[in-house]
Amino acid sequence: QVQLQESGPGLVKPSQTLSLTCSVSGGSIRSGSYYWSWIRQPAGTGLEWIGRIYTSGSIDYNPSLQSRVMLSADTSKNQFSLKLTSVTAADTAVYYCAREEGGSNFFFDIWGQGTMVTVSS
Amino acid sequence: DIQMTQSPPSLSASVGDRVTITCRASHSISVYLNWYQHKSGKVPKVLIYAASSLQSGVPSRFSGSGSGTDFTLTISSLQPEDFATYYCQQSHSAPLTFGGGTKVDI
Repeated sequence: QVQLQESGPGLVKPSQTLSLTCSVSGGSIRSGSYYWSWIRQPAGTGLEWIGRIYTSGSIDYNPSLQSRVMLSADTSKNQFSLKLTSVTAADTAVYYCAREEGGSNFFFDIWGQGTMVTVSS
Repeated sequence: DIQMTQSPPSLSASVGDRVTITCRASHSISVYLNWYQHKSGKVPKVLIYAASSLQSGVPSRFSGSGSGTDFTLTISSLQPEDFATYYCQQSHSAPLTFGGGTKVDI
């Protein structure tokens, strides 16, 4: 049973960099046809996709965040990570990592529990 | 970007009601449309993928239909555990986008 778990600071100061890691257990991020995504949900609003990294290493970003976002993967640790620079209060949200089934059907089948990140001085 | 528009934003219903939620894509997405249920404090859960395929373990009262730009999620007989927010999501092309959500409450 594959499980995902986000980790990282819960509080980030404005203008600094938000860094989160998603640890994958029960399976390898290198195996199968999967995309590994980051998704966030600000309080009281809907879900926003941030970006994804594929097992091949290719990466897609949401253009609305592309200038500030970097995704990476560490296959030796079975983790993938998110860095979001120059954060503001608008980046306060619950951040989820998720696995996207990428064979013939594309959907988020496994999610992490989510981690709340607050941007405040 | 493909914009996803859900309606209604919220609805009130009773146990046993038939509930229908619609989702419209700004461009044709074939059947690359998924539906998620999100309860407060919980993790989103996929109900329907590829517009009409029921995810394993999801009750059969949930069904999806549509193709192209117009899609529907139907709950045939609402149960107490179904009160939640429902999101559609297109997986046709990046950036992946979600609808604004439909909150189903009593």
